[in-house]
Amino acid sequence: EVQLVQSGAEVKKPGESLKISCKGSGYYFTNYWIGWVRQMPGKGLEWMGVIYPGDSDTRYSPSFQGQVTISADKSISTAFLHWSSLKASDTAMYYCARQTSGYFPFDYWGQGTLVTVSS
Amino acid sequence: EIVLTQSPGTLSLSPGERATLSCRASQSVSSSFLAWYQQKRGQAPRLLIYGASSRATGIPDRFSGSGSGTDFTLTISRLEPEDFAVYYCQQYGSSPTFGQGTKVEIK
Repeated sequence: EVQLVQSGAEVKKPGESLKISCKGSGYYFTNYWIGWVRQMPGKGLEWMGVIYPGDSDTRYSPSFQGQVTISADKSISTAFLHWSSLKASDTAMYYCARQTSGYFPFDYWGQGTLVTVSS
Repeated sequence: EIVLTQSPGTLSLSPGERATLSCRASQSVSSSFLAWYQQKRGQAPRLLIYGASSRATGIPDRFSGSGSGTDFTLTISRLEPEDFAVYYCQQYGSSPTFGQGTKVEIK
């Protein structure tokens, strides 16, 4: 069974760094893209970017380029989303999701990680 | 960037009725790289339709997608109680984007 299991909720202060994770199981992790999607409170879905764990090819939405870093460690079948300096506006639910290839939709989703940034 | 505009914002219908949701793109969507997702409160989205008209695994046949170019439609032929949710379209060509969502609520 394909599963994406995300790390738990986080509460951080502005300016702090954070890395959240998404562990894949039930399939060959290196053969599928993993993407990240933001959902701010009460709002819609925003595509942030994707990574191909096989070779770490990474693509970002222009809106998120330079704001976050997407990485993956194929040895532990885990993708990451990293902020070096959080802002209050980063408060949101973040989902990871699997993509079969570069031009496919997201077919499996993680349960989401709630990130709250508040002083 | 392709902007997707969904309409209506909210659709108020009764169980058993037909739901028709629209997704309009600011420019042509390559090779019908258009998907629809369902999101229930407190849950992750679920893929319903890809390639504009192909149902994802396990999706009931009351859900159907159509369209090409810049105009796409998701139709739910007869609403079941579990279908009341928010629906998003997504284009997954270069630089993917989502629409803002349509909420289907119980009338």
